[in-house]
Amino acid sequence: DGGITQSPKYLFRKEGQNVTLSCEQNLNHDAMYWYRQDPGQGLRLIYYSQIVNDFQKGDIAEGYSVSREKKESFPLTVTSAQKNPTAFYLCASSIDPSRVNTEAFFGQGTRLTVV
Amino acid sequence: DAKTTQPTSMDCAEGRAANLPCNHSTISGNEYVYWYRQIHSQGPQYIIHGLKNNETNEMASLIITEDRKSSTLILPHATLRDTAVYYCIVRGYSGNTPLVFGKGTRLSVIA
Repeated sequence: DGGITQSPKYLFRKEGQNVTLSCEQNLNHDAMYWYRQDPGQGLRLIYYSQIVNDFQKGDIAEGYSVSREKKESFPLTVTSAQKNPTAFYLCASSIDPSRVNTEAFFGQGTRLTVV
Repeated sequence: DAKTTQPTSMDCAEGRAANLPCNHSTISGNEYVYWYRQIHSQGPQYIIHGLKNNETNEMASLIITEDRKSSTLILPHATLRDTAVYYCIVRGYSGNTPLVFGKGTRLSVIA
């Protein structure tokens, strides 16, 4: 089936460790996005990529890094510089940039807990 | 920042129509209105979008006022599974502009 896969669903890490969240899509979408959601809040944009080997910072990029070496993959690394990393992380993708009225498809999220 | 204003929460009786309002008074002429919903602890799900005409699909109807400053999402026969947070989003014209989420409306469908 086509879709976006985030893994793992739950992730626990010790404070001070970097951790990488996986996001893979087989929809042949050009653009991919990472969002963070805190309890009772809306989604906030961390990073996005409109094409392979290119990405832009979102509103809360500090303490995070990404790469886009392949069209289907957009991993997010939560570094030790991120002060409050415990959150629900969501990945999304959408089709080519020339089509304005395109919907974004979301993965089921990874819940990261740092202890 | 989100360019929309939505009520924090709403209740709806099961089987009745749920009407979710959204204000977007600063919307530009080439910006679309999108609706997504998020069921607890899941990724957001696309519902519908429109520019200026009313739109309908198998999930919902979208009514946009003539001046485009507000819209209403209608779920014609709400079920308990429609309980979710509903986000109204105004999206820029450039393809693949990231979605900017506000806090949305928490809809509770009551039996």
